[in-house]
Amino acid sequence: DGGITQSPKYLFRKEGQNVTLSCEQNLNHDAMYWYRQDPGQGLRLIYYSQIVNDFQKGDIAEGYSVSREKKESFPLTVTSAQKNPTAFYLCASSVSGTSTEKLFFGSGTQLSVL
Amino acid sequence: AQSVAQPEDQVNVAEGNPLTVKCTYSVSGNPYLFWYVQYPNRGLQFLLKYITGDNLVKGSYGFEAEFNKSQTSFHLKKPSALVSDSALYFCAVRDRRNTPLVFGKGTRLSVIA
Repeated sequence: DGGITQSPKYLFRKEGQNVTLSCEQNLNHDAMYWYRQDPGQGLRLIYYSQIVNDFQKGDIAEGYSVSREKKESFPLTVTSAQKNPTAFYLCASSVSGTSTEKLFFGSGTQLSVL
Repeated sequence: AQSVAQPEDQVNVAEGNPLTVKCTYSVSGNPYLFWYVQYPNRGLQFLLKYITGDNLVKGSYGFEAEFNKSQTSFHLKKPSALVSDSALYFCAVRDRRNTPLVFGKGTRLSVIA
């Protein structure tokens, strides 16, 4: 999957618990993204970052938080405020945030609620 | 705001037959258009993109897509389908203001031997 590593592959969350999904890339890409995939709903953007120490909310940011302290890392925390967290989470990166650049995706993390 | 519509949830085609997966878009100004494919429990893989120029774009694995500005469409095509083409296909669009990529809901392609 093109140098983007997501871990873990499967994750279970208990009620009221925060969990963190890892995304690391060794492609030297500036821009990174988090998408949520639900059956029949396609991919929806949670957060994105076009440069280190900066990030923007996507369409469904409520209940999630991110950080971008290093170029190669963009972890996503699913907080207890996210009431329906069960989904497949995809991390992606691109050379820059410009419109012509394609995205490279990780292999995803399936999050389920216990 | 930009958006993408994939009107078919599922497309079934016999192996060896041509396939088409439909996509229409809405965007301010000229669009940048992409197709991605997803195999089970995997991330998305890039197939092709349209930026400018020739309306027929050729991509990976024998796929191509035709940009039609008047119909605001970007349909994915392949002359002869393979069973291994069975997967989930996503169309995506971006405008030229450097906003993030917006994806359609996906179309599941099933190629039957």
